[in-house]
Amino acid sequence: DVKVTQSSRYLVKRTGEKVFLECVQDMDHENMFWYRQDPGLGLRLIYFSYDVKMKEKGDIPEGYSVSREKKERFSLILESASTNQTSMYLCASSPRSTGPNPMNTEAFFGQGTRLTVV
Amino acid sequence: GNSVTQMEGPVTLSEEAFLTINCTYTATGYPSLFWYVQYPGEGLQLLLKATKADDKGSNKGFEATYRKETTSFHLEKGSVQVSDSAVYFCALSGRYSSASKIIFGSGTRLSIRP
Repeated sequence: DVKVTQSSRYLVKRTGEKVFLECVQDMDHENMFWYRQDPGLGLRLIYFSYDVKMKEKGDIPEGYSVSREKKERFSLILESASTNQTSMYLCASSPRSTGPNPMNTEAFFGQGTRLTVV
Repeated sequence: GNSVTQMEGPVTLSEEAFLTINCTYTATGYPSLFWYVQYPGEGLQLLLKATKADDKGSNKGFEATYRKETTSFHLEKGSVQVSDSAVYFCALSGRYSSASKIIFGSGTRLSIRP
């Protein structure tokens, strides 16, 4: 089974702290994603990466950065945490499709990290 | 741009009732469509998918048909169980840069009464 592991289930941080959320996948997937999940807003893409050291902004990248130094690990960084970044953060990975349809690969999700910024 | 719209919840049904959760999409090209489910306290997991028009995805008694003419992918189940209580997300994958990006709807919370 594909396993996507997020380092913490729950985190409480103070405003202004630098926060690191870690995600590791064990299936050699090329693509990795960070989403945040908020009630009524669904999942919104923060950043994604399609290869080591490659990253792309998603829909809401402001206040975040990412790092992908190794294929299996994708880190989300909150440079200076703020209360409006209190949310559930979900990491996902997916393989690069080798078939005729490049868009039919499913994503596999971690358990999520519930971050509270006080 | 690509987007997904799904019916708002929460949806509350009695056990053995028929379920429909509506989902419509806007996309360029030929996206794949997915339903994901999130059980309490867990991450999302794929429930079913369809990769081209008229495909029907099915799993655990749930079904959804990729309707290009109506740009819809409605989720149905003939007889729901208490264990189906969860949040359901409709999603599509779209080509973006060198990766496929999955875009999610806002989710529909389903509660089943015994």
